[in-house]
Amino acid sequence: QLQLQESGPGLVKPSETLSLACTVSGGSISSRSYYWGWIRQPPGKGLEWIGNIYYSGSTYYNPSLQSRVTISVDTSKSQFSLKLTSVTAADTAVYYCAREGGGGGGSGFDSWGQGTLVTVSS
Amino acid sequence: SYELTQPPSVSVSPGQTASIACSGDELGNKYTCWYQQKPGQSPVQVIYQDTKRPSGIPERFSASNSGNTATLTISGTQAMDEADYYCQAWDSSTVVFGGGTKLTVL
Repeated sequence: QLQLQESGPGLVKPSETLSLACTVSGGSISSRSYYWGWIRQPPGKGLEWIGNIYYSGSTYYNPSLQSRVTISVDTSKSQFSLKLTSVTAADTAVYYCAREGGGGGGSGFDSWGQGTLVTVSS
Repeated sequence: SYELTQPPSVSVSPGQTASIACSGDELGNKYTCWYQQKPGQSPVQVIYQDTKRPSGIPERFSASNSGNTATLTISGTQAMDEADYYCQAWDSSTVVFGGGTKLTVL
């Protein structure tokens, strides 16, 4: 059974860079059938898509975050990662990693990590 | 940028049918998915490709998508269905989520 696990600091200072990793187990991150994505949810608010990456390294980002976001993949570690620069309190959220079936083909995010809360505060 | 609009809340009595709408420009021309999220838990996909249910999702969950509106329908709503529901679609290779609807079963 596919499992995704987020990891990284739970507290980040304002203006610094938020860095998270997602480890994929029980399935291949190199599968040609899937994209791998990051979604966040501020406390008490809705879901916001951050971006997706394909095993080859192709990326798609939310235009509203694109200038601050980098998503990368390390197939040797079965991991994909998120970097968000110049964070503010508005970036405080639960960050989820998830698997998406083929981007645009309508399959959606069929498997999610448990989420990790990242708080931006000095 | 593309937007999906959902009602903030919907109420339904146990055993009745709940309908949650998601509207967006020409949404019927795009694939739509639906997710259920209970407090403190990760979202769970309940519908993909407009109308399909993933394995393990009860048959009481169904959906449609036409024109500018996608609709999630829960027939014979149970107390365990009380949750937040999010629609999701794609627009120009970007993923868009609706704002979410809190379903209350009372």
